[in-house]
Amino acid sequence: DAKTTQPPSMDCAEGRAANLPCNHSTISGNEYVYWYRQIHSQGPQYIIHGLKNNETNEMASLIITEDRKSSTLILPHATLRDTAVYYCIVRSGPDSWGKLQFGAGTQVVVTP
Amino acid sequence: DAGVTQSPTHLIKTRGQHVTLRCSPISGHKSVSWYQQVLGQGPQFIFQYYEKEERGRGNFPDRFSARQFPNYSSELNVNALLLGDSALYLCASSLEWPSYNEQFFGPGTRLTVL
Repeated sequence: DAKTTQPPSMDCAEGRAANLPCNHSTISGNEYVYWYRQIHSQGPQYIIHGLKNNETNEMASLIITEDRKSSTLILPHATLRDTAVYYCIVRSGPDSWGKLQFGAGTQVVVTP
Repeated sequence: DAGVTQSPTHLIKTRGQHVTLRCSPISGHKSVSWYQQVLGQGPQFIFQYYEKEERGRGNFPDRFSARQFPNYSSELNVNALLLGDSALYLCASSLEWPSYNEQFFGPGTRLTVL
């Protein structure tokens, strides 16, 4: 499975965009990039996923570079409730369809 | 609709005891996965079940076992508890297997082993 590298922490001002980077230089062609977040003492929450095209939903946007070696999760208008650990995960299949390999993630703190 | 539910929310056991954790997936979801999250780390995959059969296993000792019932709910069993088993145990459900469907997590069961 491909591994990911994320910065351990970052701060963001409330109302500003938060751009969370992730490196996955060994990703292979059929592997998807997933983002989850975990607010303190809760279960992880799915945010978004993509293969090679940029994706957007009501929570965030996912920008994947053309070579797919890195991606950026964008929270367009961060709120205090976005304070959480954000995990970038490369998901393989078919041998590991059900397995999400979480790393240490990025602790994002949104400040007023 | 109710999300993934887990019981109990908290549990305290002593070394050597046995524990059973329970999970009910989202209605209509047929796959359940279990994860262990030690304080300060990301969740680690333990098992995945689909249609009552084990479909994936992480790097955990045989003291850990699980099963899935006809109604798709699941139990995680841990025998001969060690201090290092203290963790948040998370259950996640997804619609099908195999698929890239997202997994929806429950709130977890906090297990403390004394």
